Amino acid sequence: DAKTTQPNSMESNEEEPVHLPCNHSTISGTDYIHWYRQLPSQGPEYVIHGLTSNVNNRMASLAIAEDRKSSTLILHRATLRDAAVYYCNARGGSQGNLIFGKGTKLSVKP
Amino acid sequence: GAGVSQSPRYKVAKRGQDVALRCDPISGHVSLFWYQQALGQGPEFLTYFQNEAQLDKSGLPSDRFFAERPEGSVSTLKIQRTQQEDSAVYLCASSLDRLAGGRVTDTQYFGPGTRLTVL
Repeated sequence: DAKTTQPNSMESNEEEPVHLPCNHSTISGTDYIHWYRQLPSQGPEYVIHGLTSNVNNRMASLAIAEDRKSSTLILHRATLRDAAVYYCNARGGSQGNLIFGKGTKLSVKP
Repeated sequence: GAGVSQSPRYKVAKRGQDVALRCDPISGHVSLFWYQQALGQGPEFLTYFQNEAQLDKSGLPSDRFFAERPEGSVSTLKIQRTQQEDSAVYLCASSLDRLAGGRVTDTQYFGPGTRLTVL
């Protein structure tokens, strides 16, 4: 499993796009990149995952660098409900568990 | 549909007491995980089940921690002789299955957690 590095915190204004970066320079070719987020007093929830190609879903987009050593989670229009801690995981191998760092605490200002 | 549920949501124990935390995974989910989350930290892996088999317990911090999933559905995390450092939120997650060859990409669905406070 690759170690991931994320900024401790970020701020955004409501209805503006947010780009949350993650570095995973030791990622192997078969590691998937997962993003989860945790709202206050809740368990983490899945946001998106990808391997090589950029991915889009109803919640967000995931942009993966060509060398796969970094990725960016994109929230196209931040809302107050997007205020949470966002965790990036780069995981593969035979173990199923996720490895969480401290994540990035996103604050959204109205 | 029903998600992962955990009970109790809050538990206060006196130091030295035994506690049992319950997790009801999503029906049909094969894999079940337990994580421990200290205040201000990300969740840390404790143990993993595939059906009733405990395949990985490398994250359990001491032999006071024990987990079981006897029928491959509901799981219980038991902590014996609780200590103050055991105070944390205990999260359970389930996922549909493990892919062939051990490569896992399945989404994990988390419960709300049990907040344990040891006095």
